[in-house]
Amino acid sequence: DVKVTQSSRYLVKRTGEKVFLECVQDMDHENMFWYRQDPGLGLRLIYFSYDVKMKEKGDIPEGYSVSREKKERFSLILESASTNQTSMYLCASRERGEAFFGQGTRLTVV
Amino acid sequence: DAKTTQPPSMDCAEGRAANLPCNHSTISGNEYVYWYRQIHSQGPQYIIHGLKNNETNEMASLIITEDRKSSTLILPHATLRDTAVYYCIVSRPQAAGNKLTFGGGTRVLVKP
Repeated sequence: DVKVTQSSRYLVKRTGEKVFLECVQDMDHENMFWYRQDPGLGLRLIYFSYDVKMKEKGDIPEGYSVSREKKERFSLILESASTNQTSMYLCASRERGEAFFGQGTRLTVV
Repeated sequence: DAKTTQPPSMDCAEGRAANLPCNHSTISGNEYVYWYRQIHSQGPQYIIHGLKNNETNEMASLIITEDRKSSTLILPHATLRDTAVYYCIVSRPQAAGNKLTFGGGTRVLVKP
């Protein structure tokens, strides 16, 4: 069974902290994505990666960075967390055709 | 990737067919139509995709118009568990670095 695993289901962090959200896929997919989802705004693409060490900005990259050192792992980094980054974060991977999503990380920044 | 337009919400009676429309008038020749759904508090789940022919699987049917500018997802016998947000996306499946961009989707409420 194919799998995209996000390291935490729920996370609470303080304003100003550096936050790492981890995502691992076991399908050897080239493409991986990070989204955030907020009520009324749908899924918005933050960053995506199409190969190891390759990354592209999505629609809302400000305040975020990413790391893809290995093919199976794609990390989202909040350099200095702020309260407006409180959200549901979803990771996905895709080779061609359908994308597979993780269950999401609900991050609260206090 | 081409932009899609979907109605924000629709209701459906349990046991009846649910027909979900999607407009993608700027679709290009090598772009496929994909449908996903997201049940509350879960990650989106793939349903079906197609290029120009109608497609059917165990979950749904996809009808794409001849000019490919719109499509309809059909849930043949809606159940309460089909209550979800349904997303229509247009994308090229094989291009490296190909974005996968979601719109607002259609919130479907299946009523008993």
